[in-house]
Amino acid sequence: KNEVEQSPQNLTAQEGEFITINCSYSVGISALHWLQQHPGGGIVSLFMLSSGKKKHGRLIATINIQEKHSSLHITASHPRDSAVYICAVGGATNKLIFGTGTLLAVQP
Amino acid sequence: DAGVIQSPRHEVTEMGQEVTLRCKPISGHDYLFWYRQTMMRGLELLIYFNNNVPIDDSGMPEDRFSAKMPNASFSTLKIQPSEPRDSAVYFCASSPPRLGPSYNEQFFGPGTRLTVL
Repeated sequence: KNEVEQSPQNLTAQEGEFITINCSYSVGISALHWLQQHPGGGIVSLFMLSSGKKKHGRLIATINIQEKHSSLHITASHPRDSAVYICAVGGATNKLIFGTGTLLAVQP
Repeated sequence: DAGVIQSPRHEVTEMGQEVTLRCKPISGHDYLFWYRQTMMRGLELLIYFNNNVPIDDSGMPEDRFSAKMPNASFSTLKIQPSEPRDSAVYFCASSPPRLGPSYNEQFFGPGTRLTVL
């Protein structure tokens, strides 16, 4: 079993829909990261959080430390949101453990 | 700031050849990470440095891989000899100094796509 599990692996949505991507982890962490990677592109850090909730534009990330679970929400989704979203957890050693990613396609 | 700079962006080489990937971190960042991304294994940490010193190289696959950071603004990842299974995208990332108990976010370079024939 992977230490970081994401669901779903693939997600197709219509433009404007509310999207949720989930991440569960089994190790102790100091912070959780959400990353975005466009096809053939680089990796961009969206959020780093260790508790509660963070919001940036249409993106919202939440984390529940007790349940070892995080969610990434996208409100009013747009085709430009189409990308792979990767959850990664960091512990005391600063090493990140990555999930396998969620491939999101937002159709116009 | 230009962000993390990696070169080359693409590299095609033949099996057995030496490959050197280069990375320039963001100025002021004292952590530098090398990652490998493949379809089969996703993103994997190979090695990371703090203040130019290698801290954890447990992800380096074997002796054919080596990494150096001679100064705060430059790092290399070398594969010698290269093999087809080394084909992947190699990312370099950097992050600023820790100010508290938690580590900071990492800023990724554009990656080097390596193809070993």
